[in-house]
Amino acid sequence: DTGVSQDPRHKITKRGQNVTFRCDPISEHNRLYWYRQTLGQGPEFLTYFQNEAQLEKSRLLSDRFSAERPKGSFSTLEIQRTEQGDSAMYLCASSSTSGPTREEQYFGPGTRLTVT
Amino acid sequence: DQQVKQNSPSLSVQEGRISILNCDYTNSMFDYFLWYKKYPAEGPTFLISISSIKDKNEDGRFTVFLNKSAKHLSLHIVPSQPGDSAVYFCAAIYNQGGKLIFGQGTELSVKP
Repeated sequence: DTGVSQDPRHKITKRGQNVTFRCDPISEHNRLYWYRQTLGQGPEFLTYFQNEAQLEKSRLLSDRFSAERPKGSFSTLEIQRTEQGDSAMYLCASSSTSGPTREEQYFGPGTRLTVT
Repeated sequence: DQQVKQNSPSLSVQEGRISILNCDYTNSMFDYFLWYKKYPAEGPTFLISISSIKDKNEDGRFTVFLNKSAKHLSLHIVPSQPGDSAVYFCAAIYNQGGKLIFGQGTELSVKP
């Protein structure tokens, strides 16, 4: 088990471009979460999946953001028409709904997005 | 509305002494609390957690205390080591396996 992985680790894009990030969770975990973190703040929840189903989406999440988890394994987060305010660290986490550690979420290294 | 608050942005401690990081919350429906440690350019690393039905949980050098009446939790690190220098986040959940709500973080510096 190699933990949660995210790709790319860094992304620089111009305002107005679309970007897509990928997250591969821990293999036996059925829940997958996306968070965003800006400087000096704690991670902020964006959305999460249980298997293929998207169970919750933050009200703060713009319509330009969309996430998928088509086969219940990896997930993608797409941002359309990026804005400078989208610059942040995008974090993915996973957890299992069974067992004694079901509340514990394990994070990947994050994708640093810079919009110029 | 900041439901989880860490009011100390930074803390400096001498190596070998105790580090105490504090966290306050406002939502009495939270039923699980977690502490994460974060180094620059890395994702948060899970440290220790506590259920709302307990008041203490210990794991090696790390102990978390929960005071439900005061809506306060704290993380104690004894003894502190230079490698503990990082940003520490407390987080809370109010339904099983749901989203984490994080505090703003406290940057701990342990000086040799």
